[in-house]
Amino acid sequence: QSVLTQPPSVSAAPGQKVTISCSGGSSNIGKNYVSWYQQLPGTAPKLLIYDNSERPSGIPDRFSGSKSGTSATLGITGLQTGDEADYYCGTWDTSLSAGVFGGGTKLSVL
Amino acid sequence: EVQLVESGGGLVQPGRSLRLSCAASGFTFDDYAMHWVRQVPGKGLEWVSGINWNSRGTGFADSVEGRFTISRDNAMNSLFLQMNGLRTEDTALYYCVRDRRAQLPSDAFDIWGQGTMVTVSS
Repeated sequence: QSVLTQPPSVSAAPGQKVTISCSGGSSNIGKNYVSWYQQLPGTAPKLLIYDNSERPSGIPDRFSGSKSGTSATLGITGLQTGDEADYYCGTWDTSLSAGVFGGGTKLSVL
Repeated sequence: EVQLVESGGGLVQPGRSLRLSCAASGFTFDDYAMHWVRQVPGKGLEWVSGINWNSRGTGFADSVEGRFTISRDNAMNSLFLQMNGLRTEDTALYYCVRDRRAQLPSDAFDIWGQGTMVTVSS
C-alpha cells in the first residue's frame, strides 16, 4: 500500500492530452515538493518534473506538473506512442522522515 | 557523462548479508545527497535509504531500519548499502540515485543507475 495514491492506468489516443493524479496527505505532498518520473519498459526511471512544476533540461514542454494542497497532477499533451510507460509521483514525507512514491500509473497510447 | 554504476547484487540466503556499491562519475560527488531506491520486478518504486553529502545525516525506510546501513566515501566517489539480516521480501532491483540537493530531506531524484538485482532465497 503506497503512501501516495495514483490511478493504476490511464489511456488516450495519439495527439491527445492525458492527466495523471497523485494524492497524498498533509505530511507529504502538503508540506514538500512533488516530483514525477517516467519509466520506459526495461529501463531505469527518469526525472520528468521536480519542485512540483519544473522540467529538467531536455524534457519537452509537453510534460507539465502542478500541485494543489495535498494533490499533484502530471499532464502530457501531444501524446506519442513513445510516451507509453509507467509514471510515478514522489515526494518526502516529513512525519515518516522518508521518501515516498505513488504506486505508479501505466500510460497506454492507443 | 554523468553516471552511476551499481554492483554487488546476487543470490543470497535469508538471514545473510550483502553489500551493494555504487560508483559515481561525471559530477562532483560530494555536492549531492545520495539514495538507494528498490523495485520488485513488475512492481512500484520503494525508497530504501538516503545519506547527506557529508554523511552527517541518514534516513531509512521502516522496512529496513536496523538491518541496512548506508555510507559513502567521497574520496572514492562511492555509495554503499550494507544489508544484514536479509529477508525474502528484500528481493528487488536496487537503484543508486542522486538527489538534487546536498542533504535530506530529498527534493527529487535526478540521476538513476541501471540497478543491481538482489535475490534472497534459500
